[in-house]
Amino acid sequence: AQTVTQSQPEMSVQEAETVTLSCTYDTSENNYYLFWYKQPPSRQMILVIRQEAYKQQNATENRFSVNFQKAAKSFSLKISDSQLGDTAMYFCAFMKRTNSKLTFGKGITLSVRP
Amino acid sequence: NAGVTQTPKFQVLKTGQSMTLQCAQDMNHNSMYWYRQDPGMGLRLIYYSASEGTTDKGEVPNGYNVSRLNKREFSLRLESAAPSQTSVYFCASSLTWTGNDEQFFGPGTRLTVL
Repeated sequence: AQTVTQSQPEMSVQEAETVTLSCTYDTSENNYYLFWYKQPPSRQMILVIRQEAYKQQNATENRFSVNFQKAAKSFSLKISDSQLGDTAMYFCAFMKRTNSKLTFGKGITLSVRP
Repeated sequence: NAGVTQTPKFQVLKTGQSMTLQCAQDMNHNSMYWYRQDPGMGLRLIYYSASEGTTDKGEVPNGYNVSRLNKREFSLRLESAAPSQTSVYFCASSLTWTGNDEQFFGPGTRLTVL
């Protein structure tokens, strides 16, 4: 079975600065996907970024990028130029390549200060 | 396109009552999912339907039943609600079951069992 660990329950960052959210996972699979989801106070789950394990290049989506270390089973999310709208819970999630069952971490609450 | 819709948005039940949470998607997706989210925990998969006509248990199926009514609709039933089922419930859908497609989430249903 897969496990996803987000050890930091809360973080805070000043607007316009950069913040990194940590995630580690455990799996015996070699092919899989990793995700970061954002859940703002509206409760809507929004996909932020996705990484395919067989791709060595780190995924990037505008201000969001990941640092994927497959050997270390680490998958951190970097948010550059933080904005007030980035205030939300962020969940790291794992999915095998062969099916669509998502395994989520416990989440981290990110607050962006004006 | 409405995406994934869920009804109701909020519900309060007494212990032992039954109810059905409704979910519908208009994206012509084949796979649908039910998750629950509890404080301090990430989302956990209750049941899923890889394709129309099939359903299967996820991580936490006890106390729930599901029906894939047609390709669009996937309902979750609580036969005899218990306080432990107080949670926020999310429905999601994806185009296929292969792990290669993004899951789109509904807005959630907040259920309280007294």
